[in-house]
Amino acid sequence: HVLESGGGLVQPGGSLRLSCAASGFTFSSYAMNWVRQAPGKGLEWVSSVGGSGDITYYADSVKGRFTISRDNSKSTLYLQMHSLRAEDTAIYFCAKDRCPTASCYNLDSWGQGTLVTVSS
Amino acid sequence: QMTQSPSTLSASIGDRVTITCRASQSISNWLAWYQQKPGKAPQLLIYKASSLEGGVPSRFSGSGFGTEFTLTISSLQPDDFATYYCQQYDIHWFITFGGGTKVEIK
Repeated sequence: HVLESGGGLVQPGGSLRLSCAASGFTFSSYAMNWVRQAPGKGLEWVSSVGGSGDITYYADSVKGRFTISRDNSKSTLYLQMHSLRAEDTAIYFCAKDRCPTASCYNLDSWGQGTLVTVSS
Repeated sequence: QMTQSPSTLSASIGDRVTITCRASQSISNWLAWYQQKPGKAPQLLIYKASSLEGGVPSRFSGSGFGTEFTLTISSLQPDDFATYYCQQYDIHWFITFGGGTKVEIK
């Protein structure tokens, strides 16, 4: 299971850090992802991090503003968000890769999401 | 990079339903399908284009390779009314989702 937290209301230009606590699997063996969904819209992949934390990927829309990281000792995934914009308003889901060791880029366990609202 | 159609589909219980995704370039079989119900997280249904995720009913099936893929529900059940998304992986854009197909009751 995965459980997100840290969402809330933030002003444009502000920062926020999301967390995702994992349990029930060997956290360090799996790549982890953040996916977001704007109100009434479809799914948008945001970022991925490999099991050891040394390999990261970002969507162009967040590159340079968001940073994904993980603490395997705490089985926790993070998303640090800076320079937030109105268009970043969305539910942010944490999702686990289906395959251990080497990513297979399918997401088989999702949290319920945490809402981030960027507004003045 | 993923074109999903139709965006909305009206169907009746027992109907055979087909949803299509087209990739802008070949993605081999790096294609997955998800189901999402209102207010819930997405659920993985199919991976590697045609492999059924554990616990998913056998009325769901996937096919395709390269640029064209299909999700089929052989006999639509009440629990299947939801929005469905395809998802691809490629080395340029990494992970991208299709726009979604909402399956509604006719």
